Amino acid sequence: DIQLTQSPSFLSASVGDRVTITCRVSHDINNYLAWYQQRPGEAPNLLIYAASTLQSGVPLRFSGSGSGPEFTLTISSLQPEDFGTFYCQQLNTYPYTFGQGTKLEIK
Amino acid sequence: QVQLVQSGAEVKKPGASVRLSCKATGHTFTSETIHWVRQAPGQRPEWVGALNTGTGHTKYSQKFQGKSIVEVDKNMNTVYLEVTSLTSDDTGVYYCATEGEMYHEVPAGYHRYIWFDPWGQGTLVTVSS
Repeated sequence: DIQLTQSPSFLSASVGDRVTITCRVSHDINNYLAWYQQRPGEAPNLLIYAASTLQSGVPLRFSGSGSGPEFTLTISSLQPEDFGTFYCQQLNTYPYTFGQGTKLEIK
Repeated sequence: QVQLVQSGAEVKKPGASVRLSCKATGHTFTSETIHWVRQAPGQRPEWVGALNTGTGHTKYSQKFQGKSIVEVDKNMNTVYLEVTSLTSDDTGVYYCATEGEMYHEVPAGYHRYIWFDPWGQGTLVTVSS
């Protein structure tokens, strides 16, 4: 299975900060990568697909970049509603796998 | 706007089976791929398997092969996940999600990018004696 390793695992930041989360993949995934935000008690919510394409309706402060083996999710100016756990997911090879998550706390 | 509505929480004893449902509202299944994802408490999501509602073709993670069955009832616009021989390790929230797709042309042909959106609200399955 393709392994995804996110860093950091935990992040505490203030409103207005620029935040970057990294996802390192163990094999080439041809940019078949998605990012999700999951708030407590909710289902994951799609932010980015194809490594850098913003899902419709997602605020422009979110962006994705990179290519194998390292991808990044950036929040340009952190907002109070951006708390939760962020996951990357590879959709290149079955079984589709997720990173271990980055928990983001708003100070 | 498509929404996926999942069945309610379940409590099961070890060794039992559970059947979860995922109903599409605002849309009639034609040829979508619906995925199932399990998330154990405090853990990352884990892909279980998927079904194409048009062909009925299924694909499972090797971990869940033989333990899980995904089916569709197109008349009910509902996809089901059955998990058998439950153990405490099967405790968690089970989500269904729709596969979205985009074709991107490249010199050698095209890339078919996919993603999971929208998701159902999740069903909590608790396995306990």
